[in-house]
Amino acid sequence: GQQVMQIPQYQHVQEGEDFTTYCNSSTTLSNIQWYKQRPGGHPVFLIQLVKSGEVKKQKRLTFQFGEAKKNSSLHITATQTTDVGTYFCAARSGAGSYQLTFGKGTKLSVIP
Amino acid sequence: KAGVTQTPRYLIKTRGQQVTLSCSPISGHRSVSWYQQTPGQGLQFLFEYFSETQRNKGNFPGRFSGRQFSNSRSEMNVSTLELGDSALYLCASTQGSEGGYTFGSGTRLTVV
Repeated sequence: GQQVMQIPQYQHVQEGEDFTTYCNSSTTLSNIQWYKQRPGGHPVFLIQLVKSGEVKKQKRLTFQFGEAKKNSSLHITATQTTDVGTYFCAARSGAGSYQLTFGKGTKLSVIP
Repeated sequence: KAGVTQTPRYLIKTRGQQVTLSCSPISGHRSVSWYQQTPGQGLQFLFEYFSETQRNKGNFPGRFSGRQFSNSRSEMNVSTLELGDSALYLCASTQGSEGGYTFGSGTRLTVV
């Protein structure tokens, strides 16, 4: 089945530093979604990317979808303690599929 | 509008017992998916239901089953519990085949 690899597994940053997590697939993805899970919480949908080369921004968060639609990244500028959590990428098994395959996630710790 | 509601929040069961978890999706969302989350394996897809029909199934043994009712509420059942079934079980709903999923707070199952 479809697999998405996510790196790094953990990231510790000083507050104010930038953070990036990467998601890679060996197959072309129809779209990719990003979720954030706070400690003790549940995944919360952040964004979906559909088009090749797409870039979307949400305040300090920048999401990119690769030109070949095989990779994606989430970049956070000037991290804050509220950014703490695990960030997951997820891809549908195919266009129109309702099955999401999640990456293992990147756990972000922010040192104040 | 109300979010995805999962009950119970916490559950402790003994090996060999069975358990039923419940999920009420967001009103109007007809697709309900279930995921198992463990520290080692991350988020793993169990199954997805739409209009009372199971459309997708993940790679889990037959001890894991589910169903969906005409009001879109869903239940999942795990029979003959094993210690390794201890996990956070998450339910998610979505309106269509595109777009993000809304997750419930999950049911934390501990098998002793």
